[in-house]
Amino acid sequence: RKEVEQDPGPFNVPEGATVAFNCTYSNSASQSFFWYRQDCRKEPKLLMSVYSSGNEDGRFTAQLNRASQYISLLIRDSKLSDSATYLCVVRRPGFKTIFGAGTRLFVKA
Amino acid sequence: GAGVSQTPSNKVTEKGKYVELRCDPISGHTALYWYRQSLGQGPEFLIYFQGTGAADDSGLPNDRFFAVRPEGSVSTLKIQRTERGDSAVYLCASSLKGGDNEQFFGPGTRLTVL
Repeated sequence: RKEVEQDPGPFNVPEGATVAFNCTYSNSASQSFFWYRQDCRKEPKLLMSVYSSGNEDGRFTAQLNRASQYISLLIRDSKLSDSATYLCVVRRPGFKTIFGAGTRLFVKA
Repeated sequence: GAGVSQTPSNKVTEKGKYVELRCDPISGHTALYWYRQSLGQGPEFLIYFQGTGAADDSGLPNDRFFAVRPEGSVSTLKIQRTERGDSAVYLCASSLKGGDNEQFFGPGTRLTVL
């Protein structure tokens, strides 16, 4: 079992749809959590950090449930430009950062 | 300002050869990470530097892989006796101090071992 598991993709949604991605992690000592976005053949870029209290950045909302070791990302009012791979990322105590395999999102007109 | 740069952008080599991949982090960033990404997978942690020292090299797959950062800035990932299974995109990232600071990734080096 991988340390960080994500929904298998791809997700195909129309513009304006709401889409949710799920992620689970197995190391209960994990300290920090993030969502990164990666466009095709490009480098990953930080989308947002994830906090237990939940956090929102425009159309994006991230949630963390430490008890269930579960992380989510909600995208509202999807845009064509949201098409990308979304990577769930967990930092262990110390420095090691573990990336999930990613979930591909295709937003269609 | 300048982002993270990596050279070469592409490297094709033959099985058994030695390769060096270079990473220039953002100026002032003390933390530097190397990752390897295969098709359809997320980046796989290889090694983390804080300054000149490798604080965590637990992700290096075997002793053919080695990385240095002698002056706390530029880093070189070295792979000896390359194997076809080493083919991947090698990504470098830097962050201001490590920890929860945002990691800024370079464009990667695509390594192909024939």
